[in-house]
Amino acid sequence: SAVISQKPSRDICQRGTSLTIQCQVDSQVTMMFWYRQQPGQSLTLIATANQGSEATYESGFVIDKFPISRPNLTFSTLTVSNMSPEDSSIYLCSASGTSGLEQYFGPGTRLTVT
Amino acid sequence: QKEVEQDPGPLSVPEGAIVSLNCTYSNSAFQYFMWYRQYSRKGPELLMYTYSSGNKEDGRFTAQVDKSSKYISLFIRDSQPSDSATYLCAMSASTGRRALTFGSGTRLQVQP
Repeated sequence: SAVISQKPSRDICQRGTSLTIQCQVDSQVTMMFWYRQQPGQSLTLIATANQGSEATYESGFVIDKFPISRPNLTFSTLTVSNMSPEDSSIYLCSASGTSGLEQYFGPGTRLTVT
Repeated sequence: QKEVEQDPGPLSVPEGAIVSLNCTYSNSAFQYFMWYRQYSRKGPELLMYTYSSGNKEDGRFTAQVDKSSKYISLFIRDSQPSDSATYLCAMSASTGRRALTFGSGTRLQVQP
């Protein structure tokens, strides 16, 4: 299994600003994903972070709002742009091998937008 | 209708009880099934992963899959207060999109 860390662990941001969340994996992994977990709800996939190419976004999520980078096999960032209170959520990074099936999660970033 | 349905609970049981957690799904393309445990303010932790109908056992945990009924279960034997957490089922198709589709989670409380 992979050990995944995220920074920051939490943040309080003002409306209209942007926040970049970092995800670091302790070993090289094939696939990395970003999820959102709104209060009391389950996880929703935002996008698959592809190394060396543009991320693959799920329906309802767009690159202008959630730009993602993945410069190598152990690191990815998610930016939440032009934030509104509706973006208040926990953002989780996950990683897996080639199959994408056994996904291991980071501890999450708890974002509050005021 | 959600692709994956899971009773949110909370489910409260005494220590030592057998716990049964369940999910139903509607998408026949789902072939891989996982159970995650999530403690408060932590990320989900992968407990078990299976892809065939039948039972898979790991210590006090047994995962059961019935593809004909589109129904999966997680059994916890000899439950402990440390098992108190939210349990999430997750599923994935065998080809194409490999993203996980999660249930809403069941909150379990094991009373000492």
